[in-house]
Order: sequence, then structure tokens, then C-alpha cells
Amino acid sequence: QVQLQESGPGLVKPSETLSLMCTVSGGSISSSYWSWIRQPPGKGLEWIGYIYSSGGTNSNPSLKSRVTMLIDTSKNQFSLSLSSVTAADTAVYYCATGRGSSWGQGTLVTVSS
Amino acid sequence: DVVMTQSPLSLPVTLGQPASISCRSSQSLVFSDGNTYLTWFQQRPGRSPRRLISKVSNRDSGVPDRFSGSGSGTDFTLKISGVEAEDVGLYYCMQSTHWPWTFGQGTKVEIK
Repeated sequence: QVQLQESGPGLVKPSETLSLMCTVSGGSISSSYWSWIRQPPGKGLEWIGYIYSSGGTNSNPSLKSRVTMLIDTSKNQFSLSLSSVTAADTAVYYCATGRGSSWGQGTLVTVSS
Repeated sequence: DVVMTQSPLSLPVTLGQPASISCRSSQSLVFSDGNTYLTWFQQRPGRSPRRLISKVSNRDSGVPDRFSGSGSGTDFTLKISGVEAEDVGLYYCMQSTHWPWTFGQGTKVEIK
């Protein structure tokens, strides 16, 4: 069973860029595609986007202009950047396998000055 | 976006009794490849979501057989044949047929 672990700053200032990394273990990142999902405190889930091992991406249109996803197959890692953040971007951010068969434990990112 | 509507949003259940959660989509979830990408997730308190069922009725490895999924088109159901204490939490349906993939609002299962 593949395992995923998110990492990154827990606090980001408004208007800055949120950057997170997901490290995959127990399997090759080259074998599938990989997703980011977020959950504001006490609220529901939102699929941010996914990235193929080839580097191709698909992002939620609600966030598309602010989202960048990259993949490093040599390190078995993929990343998420979300620019121009506001308080509305405060959430637990999860990385997961393609359609969500496995999820990381999540990391809370708070946007505050 | 495809809207996923779950009901009920709160479901108090007596231990050992069955439970049923409905999920309706605003569009058919049949994909061009013939599959219906409707997934059920369980989120226990303080934990990340766990996939229970994919493509309407395919139970994941390790998921107890008291969980079952059914439905077609726009109308889907998750059933728990006899609720156990460990089943407390939020249950979400999710469609991954139409981009962006979207979740239902979640159904909170609790013990009476």
C-alpha cells in the first residue's frame, strides 16, 4: 500500500504563495497520477487538481489561475503551489493517489498576517 | 460543476442497526468508458478520509463487508448493514466522472 506524507509551512501570510510537498513511499510515483484536496476547518472537501507522472496537470477552474503542480519522479515527490492566498485558503491540505485510494495525513495551512 | 447532494446530513443510529445514506448527482455519472465514477469515503474524527467504495459498488481491500454501495446514473446509496462504534464519522460521496471532481456535503453518522 502506497503511503503519502505532506510537508510545508503551517502559516502563510496573505497575498503570498502557499507551497507544499508530498512524498510518496511504498510505490513508484511514475506509475500513476496524483492529487491535491483541501478541507477548510469544519467544512467539506474540495478537489484542487491532479498531476500525471509525465507532468501534465488538471486544476479546479475555481483555483486554476493560482495553482501550480509539479512532479519530481527522481525523488518520488510532487508539489503544490497556490499563489495570492487569502484567509479563505486556510485549510487542511491532503495529497492522495489519483482518484483517492490512499491519502496522506493532511497538513493544516493557516493564512494570517 | 456537478452538484452532489447527500441525505440525510445527520444520521443517529443504534448500534447493530442498519444505516443508509443517499447521494444524488446533478448529472449522470456514467463516463465515456462505461464506468460510473462514484466513490464513498469515510472520515473518522481527526483523521484523513479513507476510501470505502469505488465505482459505485467496489469495496476496497480491508473494508468490512457490512459496507455496500449501489445505484446508477444519478442516484446512489451507501448502506451499513449493522452499525458498529468504529463507524462513527463523516461519510462523503464523490464523483470523478466530470471535472472538477466534486464531493457531497457529508453525512455525520453517530451512535444514539
